[in-house]
Amino acid sequence: DSGVTQTPKHLITATGQRVTLRCSPRSGDLSVYWYQQSLDQGLQFLIQYYNGEERAKGNILERFSAQQFPDLHSELNLSSLELGDSALYFCASSVDQVRDTEAFFGQGTRLTVV
Amino acid sequence: GQSLEQPSEVTAVEGAIVQINCTYQTSGFYGLSWYQQHDGGAPTFLSYNALDGLEETGRFSSFLSRSDSYGYLLLQELQMKDSASYFCAVRGNTDKLIFGTGTRLQVFP
Repeated sequence: DSGVTQTPKHLITATGQRVTLRCSPRSGDLSVYWYQQSLDQGLQFLIQYYNGEERAKGNILERFSAQQFPDLHSELNLSSLELGDSALYFCASSVDQVRDTEAFFGQGTRLTVV
Repeated sequence: GQSLEQPSEVTAVEGAIVQINCTYQTSGFYGLSWYQQHDGGAPTFLSYNALDGLEETGRFSSFLSRSDSYGYLLLQELQMKDSASYFCAVRGNTDKLIFGTGTRLQVFP
């Protein structure tokens, strides 16, 4: 158990809908990262937050947004969903050193858009 | 920007040694990490190199050459349970933690 909790584990929704994925980082970790992993693909970096503020942005679609709350949990919002958004979405967290390359991953949310 | 390249697939037999290479391009460098991911599972951290040289952790070792922007993960005494995907990851001065494309390792009996 990495200590990172993601909910829900599975999500099935229709095209055009909006969903929210939730992540609780390890206790004490200030950085939260979101990644998208499509079938048999690598981990595509979406966005990173550090202590409530956006730190780095990857190739995140405009239909996607995220935030990190004062209690450090984070949410990833996906709207106007398309079939191609079906993927495994991972959240990861790391300790307070921003330069860390050791991240702890949650078990992921498997999103299926039908 | 940042990019990492790895072979897409490697195969080996139980008990063998396998090396997974990673070359990277990044502005600024704060270390190269390796992660293991079993099918359907979450990536788990294996090792980290900030300085040149070899780091050993049990059956796994990781090497870094900053001058060559190159590293590798060495897996010894392969076991069936080592069948998984292996990712290298790097953080540059953009603060993004970027992962390579992943190498699928298949271990055969």
